[in-house]
Amino acid sequence: EAQVTQNPRYLITVTGKKLTVTCSQNMNHEYMSWYRQDPGLGLRQIYYSMNVEVTDKGDVPEGYKVSRKEKRNFPLILESPSPNQTSLYFCASSLKVSFTEAFFGQGTRLTVV
Amino acid sequence: KQEVTQIPAALSVPEGENLVLNCSFTDSAIYNLQWFRQDPGKGLTSLLLIQSSQREQTSGRLNASLDKSSGRSTLYIAASQPGDSATYLCAVSSGGYQKVTFGTGTKLQVIP
Repeated sequence: EAQVTQNPRYLITVTGKKLTVTCSQNMNHEYMSWYRQDPGLGLRQIYYSMNVEVTDKGDVPEGYKVSRKEKRNFPLILESPSPNQTSLYFCASSLKVSFTEAFFGQGTRLTVV
Repeated sequence: KQEVTQIPAALSVPEGENLVLNCSFTDSAIYNLQWFRQDPGKGLTSLLLIQSSQREQTSGRLNASLDKSSGRSTLYIAASQPGDSATYLCAVSSGGYQKVTFGTGTKLQVIP
């Protein structure tokens, strides 16, 4: 089954404690991206990757890092989480480098206290 | 910077009605526009994709149109059903097509 898998689904952490949210897709997609969803603001793009070792900033990259060492994985790293990073995070992938017919993960609800 | 607006933010209709959801964007230099559905506690599901050179796309009871010159797209849902209740999001690819900007969504409730 074609899918994008995020882990964990729920996470509560403390300010400053480094964390990683994993994202994996089994469709051999080139394009992957991360978003955060906040009430009243919609989904905002954090980072995207067009292929292995090729990443670039979206609209809200501050406080986040990503890496793309393998085609299937695109982890989101928060080196020093802060309460304003409390949000619902989504990972997405698509076959082509144009966000066409994107597949989304189930989401990760992160709370930073 | 691309901005995407969806109006209304919420909509409640009786079952069987035809309805239109609106999406507007500020920069007409888009690569494509997609409509997504989001159910509570779940990820997004792609409904329709319209390339910049296209005017509309249809899938079952759904029809999406695109007017780039006016910066508008509409999602038409025919004969609405309670199972259509969800939040509908539009997303625009622009700025070199790798960047994606989402609207804030329209929360639809179809009442049996």
